[in-house]
Amino acid sequence: KAGVTQTPRYLIKTRGQQVTLSCSPISGHRSVSWYQQTPGQGLQFLFEYFSETQRNKGNFPGRFSGRQFSNSRSEMNVSTLELGDSALYLCASSLSGVNQETQYFGPGTRLLVL
Amino acid sequence: GNSVTQMEGPVTLSEEAFLTINCTYTATGYPSLFWYVQYPGEGLQLLLKATKADDKGSNKGFEATYRKETTSFHLEKGSVQVSDSAVYFCALSGGSSNTGKLIFGQGTTLQVKP
Repeated sequence: KAGVTQTPRYLIKTRGQQVTLSCSPISGHRSVSWYQQTPGQGLQFLFEYFSETQRNKGNFPGRFSGRQFSNSRSEMNVSTLELGDSALYLCASSLSGVNQETQYFGPGTRLLVL
Repeated sequence: GNSVTQMEGPVTLSEEAFLTINCTYTATGYPSLFWYVQYPGEGLQLLLKATKADDKGSNKGFEATYRKETTSFHLEKGSVQVSDSAVYFCALSGGSSNTGKLIFGQGTTLQVKP
């Protein structure tokens, strides 16, 4: 089975721009979660989607948004980029997103905001 | 709220040394506990997990036991190899809710020298 894929792998943007990241989950997985990884804050949960609905949300400003399509693929969008948004963005998928299930991570998208 | 605390790194060991990375958690209810590993430039890979008290997770020579009485999930390996050099994250999900949202510790960098 193919793993979680994320595109693009690297991105360079300037402040004020917006960016869209894409994630394709493992086939059959319906839950997709997004995490931000930075040296200062570590790994932080952004949001989780299941059956095209946002089911959980972390403590991030409204500039961070996402969506999920009927094939479970997910995108996240960051508008009005700030320098502090530079990070590795990780997507994870699982069968139904409940406790006890393993979440499988993609390789991440590294975003640099200049 | 729920939280995970890991021992500070970096941890530097010689090949074949014994490894312990401490992890303690705070959570209501009965969380599931995980260890993930991140190699340079990659996403997170599940190393092992335990979903109830006294469960022992094991994989590739690594072990961790879910200790509810001490709220701990320490990672151990009897004989480390250079290839084990990576960043290790302890994480929990669930607790009082059934969500699969992962809460991570700050990560511990392990360097193994030949």
